[in-house]
Amino acid sequence: DAGVIQSPRHEVTEMGQEVTLRCKPISGHDYLFWYRQTMMRGLELLIYFNNNVPIDDSGMPEDRFSAKMPNASFSTLKIQPSEPRDSAVYFCASSPSALTEQFFGPGTRLTVL
Amino acid sequence: AQKVTQAQTEISVVEKEDVTLDCVYETRDTTYYLFWYKQPPSGELVFLIRRNSFDEQNEISGRYSWNFQKSTSSFNFTITASQVVDSAVYFCALSVEGGGADGLTFGKGTHLIIQP
Repeated sequence: DAGVIQSPRHEVTEMGQEVTLRCKPISGHDYLFWYRQTMMRGLELLIYFNNNVPIDDSGMPEDRFSAKMPNASFSTLKIQPSEPRDSAVYFCASSPSALTEQFFGPGTRLTVL
Repeated sequence: AQKVTQAQTEISVVEKEDVTLDCVYETRDTTYYLFWYKQPPSGELVFLIRRNSFDEQNEISGRYSWNFQKSTSSFNFTITASQVVDSAVYFCALSVEGGGADGLTFGKGTHLIIQP
């Protein structure tokens, strides 16, 4: 069974550019989560979906961030325009139901110059 | 709001020593779940254990054991006879039932260094 797939694994971009991170959850999992990891703030929940519907986006830092889940097998996290402080590792995770183990993808390391 | 505190930023021990990683949590909910994840140098997050608030039994899995005490709001993790491969950052996390709060609240992590 394939785990959670994220792409790209590494992204380097310049300030002001649009960045799109992609995630494919494990098939059959109803929940999808986006987290951000930085040295200063640790691991933070940005947003999560249940059956493709956004449930809690209170962790999304600014309007520059947006996330979508058009179907059960794909989600995107977009930053437009990107800023250097957005540099972080972004993890996508999925789980079969609420409050169960979350399976994490390998992460996307984003560097904004 | 939920909070998880891992007071130990970094721990360094010599191989074969036992080591305990502390985790203290805060929540007003009566139904919640506690987790431990491991993040090795390669960067992925690996699930170790999940425990619900109604199950205070300690758990042992090989060299790993967990001590859950509701009275002190703690969920500590002990590695017995540590090995170099145990070197990683370990995160304690909390999730509560209902209210659209199914995401994990993580502690800041404890960087465990096992020296040969």
